[in-house]
Amino acid sequence: AQSVSQHNHHVILSEAASLELGCNYSYGGTVNLFWYVQYPGQHLQLLLKYFSGDPLVKGIKGFEAEFIKSKFSFNLRKPSVQWSDTAEYFCAVNPPGNQFYFGTGTSLTVIP
Amino acid sequence: EAGVTQFPSHSVIEKGQTVTLRCDPISGHDNLYWYRRVMGKEIKFLLHFVKESKQDESGMPNNRFLAERTGGTYSTLKVQPAELEDSGVYFCASSPLGRGHTEAFFGQGTRLTVV
Repeated sequence: AQSVSQHNHHVILSEAASLELGCNYSYGGTVNLFWYVQYPGQHLQLLLKYFSGDPLVKGIKGFEAEFIKSKFSFNLRKPSVQWSDTAEYFCAVNPPGNQFYFGTGTSLTVIP
Repeated sequence: EAGVTQFPSHSVIEKGQTVTLRCDPISGHDNLYWYRRVMGKEIKFLLHFVKESKQDESGMPNNRFLAERTGGTYSTLKVQPAELEDSGVYFCASSPLGRGHTEAFFGQGTRLTVV
């Protein structure tokens, strides 16, 4: 069965610190890759996505992620976090035409 | 354009009762997914509709759960009878059909508490 692993369950950072959240998946075929974010009291929103092409993708709010095929990884990064980035972050993998597989989520708290 | 909407946003029911959750996908989206998140755990797949047909229902936990999507528009997920372990947040998502590369658009979720 496909699985998605997010290595960090809870992350606490001070504002302006750099962020990297790990995501690894197990699936040998072509996949679409996503990071979703859920801000407090809101619904899941797309942060960024990778379908093909340049493995370094940029999303909203200064986030980016790098797809490394050989490592089955799709790590999320942001050079300088803000208090408003406090949220829960989910990595998701989607073999085209199939369901979306999610990781357990990473709760990020940014301290002003 | 309206997003994915779910009703109700919260539901508290007693063990043994029945609850029906509703999801209205984005208009024109043939793919409709149901997911559940139990507190602190991963978002787990329940099932996937393509139009009115169940494409994949491998994630449905047991026969107390019944999902329908008559007419290929909105979907309902009924839990009957509800058990304590059914508590969690139920998410619905939709996406267009026919394109291999598309994101899923999520509703705000229904928080179900079984007491």
